[in-house]
Amino acid sequence: TQLLEQSPQFLSIQEGENLTVYCNSSSVFSSLQWYRQEPGEGPVLLVTVVTGGEVKKLKRLTFQFGDARKDSSLHITAAQPGDTGLYLCAGALRNDMRFGAGTRLTVKP
Amino acid sequence: GAGVSQSPRYKVAKRGQDVALRCDPISGHVSLFWYQQALGQGPEFLTYFQNEAQLDKSGLPSDRFFAERPEGSVSTLKIQRTQQEDSAVYLCASSLVVAGGQETQYFGPGTRLLVL
Repeated sequence: TQLLEQSPQFLSIQEGENLTVYCNSSSVFSSLQWYRQEPGEGPVLLVTVVTGGEVKKLKRLTFQFGDARKDSSLHITAAQPGDTGLYLCAGALRNDMRFGAGTRLTVKP
Repeated sequence: GAGVSQSPRYKVAKRGQDVALRCDPISGHVSLFWYQQALGQGPEFLTYFQNEAQLDKSGLPSDRFFAERPEGSVSTLKIQRTQQEDSAVYLCASSLVVAGGQETQYFGPGTRLLVL
């Protein structure tokens, strides 16, 4: 059982559309990270959010950490085919990161 | 620069065989993590090393799983008497600092293990 629930599990959209994916938990995390993973590779860190209510922007990607530090969202504006991949959220518990199952995003040209 | 490397990239084992998976972290990185990623799932934490000390092995699924990092650099994950349910991608990650939740973990490409 994953400690972090991600939704939707799969998302297929056209180039240029906007999208939001969610990461929810009943646990409070000291920090939360978002990763992107491509087939045959390990996850690559996109962002770390630490403070409840924090918003971080990375070009067309906007990350938000919930006020209670239990949930997070990732919003992508004007998605491009290069955004295709598995987006994973991970929350920090003691020494380890607990990952969600991911949202598999496909952006069609 | 060199990232985290893992070998072999692919391993096919017969049920009951022992396997050893190697991780070469980024030079100088203090922390090393092993994760197991089943098909369609996110990575699941297995164990954590700070230098040569294994500080957390709470995620190892059974006593058939053993990990070591004897000199605080290269690490080996060993699985004895492999079972079909061990089939997964095994990811290694390293970070420069002591684990605390905000550090950047750099992942290797993983070893894909298939147990027949």
